[in-house]
Formats: sequence, structure tokens, C-alpha cells
Amino acid sequence: DTGVSQDPRHKITKRGQNVTFRCDPISEHNRLYWYRQTLGQGPEFLTYFQNEAQLEKSRLLSDRFSAERPKGSFSTLEIQRTEQGDSAMYLCASSPASGSAYNEQFFGPGTRLTVL
Amino acid sequence: DQQVKQNSPSLSVQEGRISILNCDYTNSMFDYFLWYKKYPAEGPTFLISISSIKDKNEDGRFTVFLNKSAKHLSLHIVPSQPGDSAVYFCAASGVTGNQFYFGTGTSLTVIP
Repeated sequence: DTGVSQDPRHKITKRGQNVTFRCDPISEHNRLYWYRQTLGQGPEFLTYFQNEAQLEKSRLLSDRFSAERPKGSFSTLEIQRTEQGDSAMYLCASSPASGSAYNEQFFGPGTRLTVL
Repeated sequence: DQQVKQNSPSLSVQEGRISILNCDYTNSMFDYFLWYKKYPAEGPTFLISISSIKDKNEDGRFTVFLNKSAKHLSLHIVPSQPGDSAVYFCAASGVTGNQFYFGTGTSLTVIP
């Protein structure tokens, strides 16, 4: 296992279109996070899964955003009716359920979304 | 509201000298603090962490100091190396670790 992977790495779409991103965490990690990062800012928390359960969701996450982790393994983040303000880097991170690395998040390379 | 703040957007240090990166937070319920390093076109990479029950944690050239009364933490890198040039983010979470708050980052340049 080489780490957290995200697909696609880049996505260009037109305003109003729907987009879906995929994250594959490290296989033994049951905790999964999605973040959004814009230029000059740090990662901004979007949502958190423990196994297949979505336990936390940022109040900043509009109803156009939805995330799933159906089998407690990979996760998808969908943005409906994209807006230019959605242009950002979307990062996924995972961490183990216990152990010394419990609070250490392992990040993927991110998906860069550009909405035209 | 920005609960974790890094007020220095950039820092330049000579190779071999100490780099000190600072971070302030506002939420007294934060229980765990972390530093991440980020290179361009990559996701952040975990560097070092500290629990709120400690005031210092050391790992090789990296030391994190926590001052809970001042709600302040700092990362010391000694000696600094050109490969340390990157953007450094501090982050904080509560007890559950279900949500993490990141600062805006400090871009460190180590000059050879």
C-alpha cells in the first residue's frame, strides 16, 4: 500500500455541471477526512467518516456537496451544480482507528478542481 | 472564524541556523496539535505532534513547544536544511479527533 490516492488529479468543468471525486485511503485506516484548500489558505475541514458512518460535517458544506463511504473503504465527494467559487484543491486524508498514529492524518495528493 | 492562526506568511533562514515557526489558537478545548509540511503539488505530510498534557515534544531536528496559557505553539527546526524549504501548517483538534482546524501556513525558505 503506497498511501492515500485520489482520482482524478485535475478536473476542469463548466459552471452548473456535477463532478465526483474519489479517495482511496490507506487500507487499514478506518477514519477518512475531506478538506478543501484554496490559494493562500490552509486545508478547510469538510467532513469526516469513521468506517461508513459520516460523523462530522462542516456547517460550511452546502447542500450541493455530498460525500459517501458506502463500504467503509473508498469515499466519493460529489459537488452538484458547480459554481466558480468551488474551484479549489480537494484533499482526502485517512488515519488509523488506534495506535500511535491515531491523530496523524495521511493526506492524498489532492484533486484540483477548476470551474469555468 | 479562524481558530488556528499563523501570522507569518513567510520566513527565510540561513542553512544551519534555527527556524522558528509560530502558531496561535483561540479554542481552549483543543487537545492535540500537529505540524504538517507541504511541498508544491503534494498533499501535506505529517511532521510532529503534541498532546495538550505536554509542553514539549522532540523528534530529531524538530521540536514543538506548547504554551497552553498563551494558546501558542511553535515549531523549532535545528539545524535548518535547504530540504526543509516548504509550507508549514499547524493544526489542532479536540479530544475526539473528528475535526481538525488548520492555520494558513508559513512558507519557509532555507538559504544555502
